[in-house]
Amino acid sequence: AAGVIQSPRHLIKEKRETATLKCYPIPRHDTVYWYQQGPGQDPQFLISFYEKMQSDKGSIPDRFSAQQFSDYHSELNMSSLELGDSALYFCASSDPTGGGYTFGSGTRLTVV
Amino acid sequence: KQEVTQIPAALSVPEGENLVLNCSFTDSAIYNLQWFRQDPGKGLTSLLLIQSSQREQTSGRLNASLDKSSGRSTLYIAASQPGDSATYLCALSGGYQKVTFGIGTKLQVIP
Repeated sequence: AAGVIQSPRHLIKEKRETATLKCYPIPRHDTVYWYQQGPGQDPQFLISFYEKMQSDKGSIPDRFSAQQFSDYHSELNMSSLELGDSALYFCASSDPTGGGYTFGSGTRLTVV
Repeated sequence: KQEVTQIPAALSVPEGENLVLNCSFTDSAIYNLQWFRQDPGKGLTSLLLIQSSQREQTSGRLNASLDKSSGRSTLYIAASQPGDSATYLCALSGGYQKVTFGIGTKLQVIP
């Protein structure tokens, strides 16, 4: 069965650089969510999109932006990276029937 | 604002034991509840999904229950195995809204 695909799996960036993370939801899932998980922490909600429109916003820094495209894939853009941005970034998608959330394997971002 | 608490934070048991992980939440107006498993540095694997109208779900050695009136869910693992060692996260959703996670229970099953 198709899962949520995230790319890249690993990313190393220097401080003040930019990074773009990509997420491809399960086909026919109409909502995409982004989460950030620091070491030893539970996933923290960043932002979500429903039918290509931002539907909810969490603790996403102003340096970050995201969008969902016409093919429903989503991209998280991170600028002026800081050491504290090093974390696992998860994308999840959900379907219109309320069948729960499916998470991708995550992108591990390391800022050096 | 939904708050999710998981107890215990960590648990170490000998192989073969049955165990219960607890999850409590403050807002009973939930859409569904999911239990996830996370191995160190890895993604989140969905174990069981309980819809708001359901009371429990079972999959193999796992059984999850939901009691909305008391704001509690339990994950029961029967005959634990070393491969069950992971962090178990409880997550609640209010529909097309963000999932709220507990901080998880870190389980270690000792051979």
